[in-house]
Amino acid sequence: EAGVAQSPRYKIIEKRQSVAFWCNPISGHATLYWYQQILGQGPKLLIQFQNNGVVDDSQLPKDRFSAERLKGVDSTLKIQPAKLEDSAVYLCASSGSDRSHGYTFGSGTRLTVV
Amino acid sequence: QKEVEQNSGPLSVPEGAIASLNCTYSDRGSQSFFWYRQYSGKSPELIMFIYSNGDKEDGRFTAQLNKASQYVSLLIRDSQPSDSATYLCAVNGLNTGFQKLVFGTGTRLLVSP
Repeated sequence: EAGVAQSPRYKIIEKRQSVAFWCNPISGHATLYWYQQILGQGPKLLIQFQNNGVVDDSQLPKDRFSAERLKGVDSTLKIQPAKLEDSAVYLCASSGSDRSHGYTFGSGTRLTVV
Repeated sequence: QKEVEQNSGPLSVPEGAIASLNCTYSDRGSQSFFWYRQYSGKSPELIMFIYSNGDKEDGRFTAQLNKASQYVSLLIRDSQPSDSATYLCAVNGLNTGFQKLVFGTGTRLLVSP
């Protein structure tokens, strides 16, 4: 089966600019997650979708971050305006009904804000 | 108290030795536990999961779970230099009925030839 697809792979922007990341989960996976991983730290959940509905966005900085999954398949995460501390790897993951499989992660997008 | 705690390391072991990685968690309601391996610059990949108290073995890897002590460990036998990576412990906390993994900060393992 194809994995979780993410793009772009790398992105460098200046502070106060905007950026968007795209994710296409594994086919049939109803649950999609966006994680932020700052260097040297574990992944931190930003938002969790079940189909096209938001299950958890408690740690999403909603003043600058937004995410959508309109058709219950692919998803977009946006940051506007970006801050220096947003420099991190943004990981998309998906999971199906078999919880023993945990999550499958995409390759991530490395964002550098200068 | 952090939800999932790991020693950041690095944990250094010689090739062929047993590496022991530890993780504690705070939510007593947690039901499933995962170990992910993350190579530098790469995304996490699942290597082990465990639900029940006791040991679960898969090749050179053994996961150990003690729910009473809220403790999960990962043993890597016959460690190889290719095992050098960061190992992330993740704990499943049910989130409105859906799976929600909370990750520790990871333990960096260095296996020297």
